[in-house]
Amino acid sequence: KAGVTQTPRYLIKTRGQQVTLSCSPISGHRSVSWYQQTPGQGLQFLFEYFSETQRNKGNFPGRFSGRQFSNSRSEMNVSTLELGDSALYLCASSWKTGGNEKLFFGSGTQLSVL
Amino acid sequence: QKEVEQDPGPLSVPEGAIVSLNCTYSNSAFQYFMWYRQYSRKGPELLMYTYSSGNKEDGRFTAQVDKSSKYISLFIRDSQPSDSATYLCAMSATGNQFYFGTGTSLTVIP
Repeated sequence: KAGVTQTPRYLIKTRGQQVTLSCSPISGHRSVSWYQQTPGQGLQFLFEYFSETQRNKGNFPGRFSGRQFSNSRSEMNVSTLELGDSALYLCASSWKTGGNEKLFFGSGTQLSVL
Repeated sequence: QKEVEQDPGPLSVPEGAIVSLNCTYSNSAFQYFMWYRQYSRKGPELLMYTYSSGNKEDGRFTAQVDKSSKYISLFIRDSQPSDSATYLCAMSATGNQFYFGTGTSLTVIP
């Protein structure tokens, strides 16, 4: 069974630009969560989608948004990039939302904002 | 105060040693607990998962949860150089939104 796939693996952008990251969950998984990982803050929850609906949202500004498609694939968008948005963005999938479900992560997209 | 506290290390041990990694938390509603291992430039890999107090064993790994003290641990027996990685604890009240520790960097010296 293929794991969680994230594309692209690396991205370099400049301040003010916008970026879209993609995530394909494990086959059969319907919940997709996004996390931001930085050396100082560790992993921080961005949002979770289940059945094309955002179920939970972390404490990030509105510049961070996402969506989920009917095939459970998800995209995350960051507009008006800032230097502080440089981070590893991780996507995780699980079969359902909430409860005792295990989270499986992809390898992430390393975003560098110059 | 952060929801989850984890000693960042670094921790360096000789091959074959027993390793103890720990996290404390402040939210008594947390009931789902996971440990992840993350190698450089990779995503976190799930090692252990538990949702009850007590011990759970899987091979060389044992996860321990003490809800009364808000304290969780991961023990690695007979540590190997391939165990060198960053270890992350994660926990959640609902199973939707997980709070992670900042990770402990472990090096096992041959």
